[in-house]
Parts: sequence; C-alpha cells; structure tokens
Amino acid sequence: DTGVSQDPRHKITKRGQNVTFRCDPISEHNRLYWYRQTLGQGPEFLTYFQNEAQLEKSRLLSDRFSAERPKGSFSTLEIQRTEQGDSAMYLCASSLNQIQETQYFGPGTRLLVL
Amino acid sequence: AQTVTQSQPEMSVQEAETVTLSCTYDTSESDYYLFWYKQPPSRQMILVIRQEAYKQQNATENRFSVNFQKAAKSFSLKISDSQLGDAAMYFCAYRSGNTGTASKLTFGTGTRLQVTL
Repeated sequence: DTGVSQDPRHKITKRGQNVTFRCDPISEHNRLYWYRQTLGQGPEFLTYFQNEAQLEKSRLLSDRFSAERPKGSFSTLEIQRTEQGDSAMYLCASSLNQIQETQYFGPGTRLLVL
Repeated sequence: AQTVTQSQPEMSVQEAETVTLSCTYDTSESDYYLFWYKQPPSRQMILVIRQEAYKQQNATENRFSVNFQKAAKSFSLKISDSQLGDAAMYFCAYRSGNTGTASKLTFGTGTRLQVTL
C-alpha cells in the first residue's frame, strides 16, 4: 500500500494560465475526492468520483475547474484561466466503496497564482 | 447543511500532560460519522480516530479518545500523555451516513496544538 500520491507537490503560475494536477489513489480504492484548503481553514469539498463517474460537484467548482477520472484510476483536476483566488492547497483523498469508509489523503498540491 | 465548529484556534499542552480539543456540529441526520484528522506541518492529513453515531461507546485509539455527546452534538478529542510528535493542526470532520449522498467530509476550521517541554 503506497498511499495516495499527488503531483506536482508545488505549482507556481501566473494569473490566466492553465494548470493541471494529478492524483493517484490507493490501488483498490474506487472512490476519489478532491478538496481545497486555504490558509487557516479546513478542507472544503470540491468533487467526488466513484470509479470513472463524477457523482457530485460543489458549487465551489466554477466552470473554470474540470476534473476527470478516466478508467477509474488516477484523476486530474484542471483549472483554466487561473485567478489569484485559486491559490490554495488542493487535496485528494480516496476510499473504498463501503458504508464505513475512511478517506485517506494525499500530500496535496500547493498552488500559488501570481 | 451540516456544519462543524472548532472554537479553539490554538491550544498548548506540556509534554506528558493531557489536552482536550473541542468540536461541535450541527445536523438533522441521525446516521453519521465523526472523525478527527491530524495535519502535521507540511505533511499530509492522517486519520486519528473515528466515531459512528449509532455507537454509544466512545472510540479509543491508544492515547487518543473521544467524548461523544450525541444529544449535545459535541465530539471532543482527548490526547493523553502528550508527545512532541502530537504537535499539529487537528481537524474535526463530519460525514453523512446517508448512502444516497456523496460521502464528502465537512471539516471544521481546525485547532493548532503546540506541545511544549
């Protein structure tokens, strides 16, 4: 069990650029979550996949954000036309499809938009 | 919508002492799960302890235990025999037990725990 991994760990970009983050869940986990954490706050839910299906999106996920999980394995989160307000830690978590599931978190990708 | 409140932004404890972190939540659901997660500086979030709402017995994991008061909607974390490695941000989180909804976690704003010698 290698845990949840995320790439890159840090990203600095200029306002208006597009960025893409990757999350690799624990191999047997079929649920995958994206959260956003700003400084001094707890993580906030963005979106959720069960296998390859995106089942829920938060209203925090504006139309500049898109997430995919092709083949139900890794997931990508893309932010188009980044804004300074997008600066945050983007966390990925995965879990088994069980009632008593526990979500396991990755190390996060810290985004800074200049 | 469910909300989670952590009213202590920072707490400090001496090594080997006991500290209690507070958490309250608001929900109209009867079936749910509560969690405490630990986020050390620049490291990933890890689960400390979980509690199922249908269980009356308070969860315990080694030096960590909870005081779950369902009627009061309170879920505090007690850390006994505090160690330097316990220094971290601690988040209380709620998850609905409704299998028809996403199993997203709703987090509080966190409590930063300092451990002093």
